[in-house]
Amino acid sequence: KQEVTQIPAALSVPEGENLVLNCSFTDSAIYNLQWFRQDPGKGLTSLLLIQSSQREQTSGRLNASLDKSSGRSTLYIAASQPGDSATYLCAVTGTYKYIFGTGTRLKVLA
Amino acid sequence: SQTIHQWPATLVQPVGSPLSLECTVEGTSNPNLYWYRQAAGRGLQLLFYSVGIGQISSEVPQNLSASRPQDRQFILSSKKLLLSDSGFYLCAWNRQGVNEQFFGPGTRLTVL
Repeated sequence: KQEVTQIPAALSVPEGENLVLNCSFTDSAIYNLQWFRQDPGKGLTSLLLIQSSQREQTSGRLNASLDKSSGRSTLYIAASQPGDSATYLCAVTGTYKYIFGTGTRLKVLA
Repeated sequence: SQTIHQWPATLVQPVGSPLSLECTVEGTSNPNLYWYRQAAGRGLQLLFYSVGIGQISSEVPQNLSASRPQDRQFILSSKKLLLSDSGFYLCAWNRQGVNEQFFGPGTRLTVL
């Protein structure tokens, strides 16, 4: 049974820091891995999708990497801003199902 | 472009009352559709998914049911709500064969 873990559960950093969020999964037989952002009381916003054949994806200040063999993905946020404050979730996908981690709650202090 | 709608945005219902939450997707056809529940402090729990009209797969046996009467419409229902049904309900979709999922704005359900 696939399990997805995100560490740390919460993170507080000063503005301008580069930071790394971690996502680990137990079964390497995945199709894709997707990173989301969720603001309080809102739905999830897709940030990056990494296909299983890819090693990384980049969008602006965000870079996500995938190492299937070790069951790990990282989301790198460069030059963090207060507007980056949110909960970040990763999800691994099979044929139809998406298994989500419990998220990392990020607070960027001005 | 594609858009996903959910309504209502918030709902307060007494225990034992019925429930109907609706989700519609615009700008695409034959999407895979999903219902999730997010309880406070917990991750997303997949409740149902559908790969076509009338095709529903249930992930967790419970007090809820789902229906897909039209290609881009997904409905979550209950005949009698329980206190434990409280939570944030999210609808999502992805294109067939493309595993990038997109979420609606969610419905906050409080059962009293």
